[in-house]
Amino acid sequence: KAGVTQTPRYLIKTRGQQVTLSCSPISGHRSVSWYQQTPGQGLQFLFEYFSETQRNKGNFPGRFSGRQFSNSRSEMNVSTLELGDSALYLCASNLGTGNSYEQYFGPGTRLTVT
Amino acid sequence: AQKITQTQPGMFVQEKEAVTLDCTYDTSDPSYGLFWYKQPSSGEMIFLIYQGSYDQQNATEGRYSLNFQKARKSANLVISASQLGDSAMYFCAMSGTYKYIFGTGTRLKVLA
Repeated sequence: KAGVTQTPRYLIKTRGQQVTLSCSPISGHRSVSWYQQTPGQGLQFLFEYFSETQRNKGNFPGRFSGRQFSNSRSEMNVSTLELGDSALYLCASNLGTGNSYEQYFGPGTRLTVT
Repeated sequence: AQKITQTQPGMFVQEKEAVTLDCTYDTSDPSYGLFWYKQPSSGEMIFLIYQGSYDQQNATEGRYSLNFQKARKSANLVISASQLGDSAMYFCAMSGTYKYIFGTGTRLKVLA
């Protein structure tokens, strides 16, 4: 079974631009969660999608948004990029129901904002 | 509110020895899961072990075991017979309602 894939793996953007990151979950997984990882703040939860609906979100500004498609693939968008948005963005998938607590992570997208 | 605390920012262990990485948690949820993940320098999070809050026995996965003490709200990871490839960041995490909470991590260095 193929793992979680994220594209692109690396990205360099300029302040003020916007960026879209993509995540394809493991086949059959309906839940996709996004995390931001920085040296200073550690791993922080952004949001979680299940069956195309956002079920939960963390404490990030509205510049961070996401969506999920009918095939469970998810995208995350960051508008008006700031230097502090430079981070490793990880997505994780799981079945999303029952006791399916285990999450499977993708390799991440490393975003650098200059 | 849910919280995970890892008080050891860095640890050293000699190859082939055992090491314990500490994790304490706080939650008011009656049902939750506790996890440990390994993150090598490549960045990918690798699942190691899971413990459900209602599980009576401590979880084990190969060289990894989770020392779960519910009354103390601790979920320490024990790695037996450390290997050089175990050098990495280790994160303790707790599952809540539709989200995970992660600790700040412990960087483990295995010495030859």
